[in-house]
Amino acid sequence: KQEVTQIPAALSVPEGENLVLNCSFTDSAIYNLQWFRQDPGKGLTSLLLIQSSQREQTSGRLNASLDKSSGRSTLYIAASQPGDSATYLCAVSNDYKLSFGAGTTVTVRA
Amino acid sequence: KAGVTQTPRYLIKTRGQQVTLSCSPISGHRSVSWYQQTPGQGLQFLFEYFSETQRNKGNFPGRFSGRQFSNSRSEMNVSTLELGDSALYLCASSLAINEQFFGPGTRLTVL
Repeated sequence: KQEVTQIPAALSVPEGENLVLNCSFTDSAIYNLQWFRQDPGKGLTSLLLIQSSQREQTSGRLNASLDKSSGRSTLYIAASQPGDSATYLCAVSNDYKLSFGAGTTVTVRA
Repeated sequence: KAGVTQTPRYLIKTRGQQVTLSCSPISGHRSVSWYQQTPGQGLQFLFEYFSETQRNKGNFPGRFSGRQFSNSRSEMNVSTLELGDSALYLCASSLAINEQFFGPGTRLTVL
């Protein structure tokens, strides 16, 4: 059974600081890895998708890396802003389903 | 292009009743998945459909069922509701098994 762990569970930083969010998974037989953002009471917004054959993916201030052999992914958010405050979820895909971590709740203080 | 839509957005039911939730995927997407989100268990996979066929099912009791129609729209049904079924139910669509896009969810409260 795939287990996905996200560390830390919560993070509070001042505006402008870079964010580093970690995700680990136990079964390396994944099809892809996706990072999501969730605002309170809302659905999930897809941030980045990394295919299993890729090492990293970038979109604006966001960069995600994937090391499939060690079962790890890291999401970097540069120059954080108060609008980045949300819960960030990592999910790995295999067997037609996503397995999610519990998320990292980020607070960016103005 | 319109996103994933889910109806209704909010539901209040009592124990023992049944409920049907609906999901319309992004146009052209043939895969629809359902997830349950609760504070205690996080996001858990319910089932996935592709071209009206269920390809995978999560570890939920038989009270939870789903189906997909020929236009890719999907419904999930929960019978004999229990208090523990209170959750945010999320639907996601994708082209095949690639990037998944989620809807806003249906908030179900069971009293």
